[in-house]
Amino acid sequence: RKEVEQDPGPFNVPEGATVAFNCTYSNSASQSFFWYRQDCRKEPKLLMSVYSSGNEDGRFTAQLNRASQYISLLIRDSKLSDSATYLCVVNQAGRRALTFGSGTRLQVQP
Amino acid sequence: DTAVSQTPKYLVTQMGNDKSIKCEQNLGHDTMYWYKQDSKKFLKIMFSYNNKELIINETVPNRFSPKSPDKAHLNLHINSLELGDSAVYFCASSPSGGANTEAFFGQGTRLTVV
Repeated sequence: RKEVEQDPGPFNVPEGATVAFNCTYSNSASQSFFWYRQDCRKEPKLLMSVYSSGNEDGRFTAQLNRASQYISLLIRDSKLSDSATYLCVVNQAGRRALTFGSGTRLQVQP
Repeated sequence: DTAVSQTPKYLVTQMGNDKSIKCEQNLGHDTMYWYKQDSKKFLKIMFSYNNKELIINETVPNRFSPKSPDKAHLNLHINSLELGDSAVYFCASSPSGGANTEAFFGQGTRLTVV
């Protein structure tokens, strides 16, 4: 079983739609959680950290459920520029490296 | 100024050759990494260095040898290249490597072994 699992997609949605991505992680010692974004043929970049109480950044909302070992990302009012691969990322306490999911591809269509 | 820069951006080489990829960060970070992204886009940690010391070596073949001359540089040397080594290699850095810190990635080196 992979440490971080995501639905690979692709998710094809029209502009303005709301889309949700889910992610599960297997290691209960995971301490930190992130969503990264990777555009085609580019490097991954941090989109947002995920906090236990949930957090929002503009059109993006991240949620964490430690009991279920589940992370989500909600994108409201999708823009064409949101088209990318969204990577769920976790880090275990004391381990100096991030563990990436395989990513969920989002294609926003006009 | 590019925060994490790696060279070359593209590398095409024949099986059996030896090649190096260089990485430099100007962010003052203590921890640097090499990740490999395969054809299925899965990003996997290869090595992690903290202040020039190897911290993580994730069962990478010993044909891969990282070298960190100082904490701002982490180079990757690959001996006897194989077809399966074709991938995108990303260098990254983070401050102190703590669990809550963001990692900053270089633009990647697309290695093709023919």
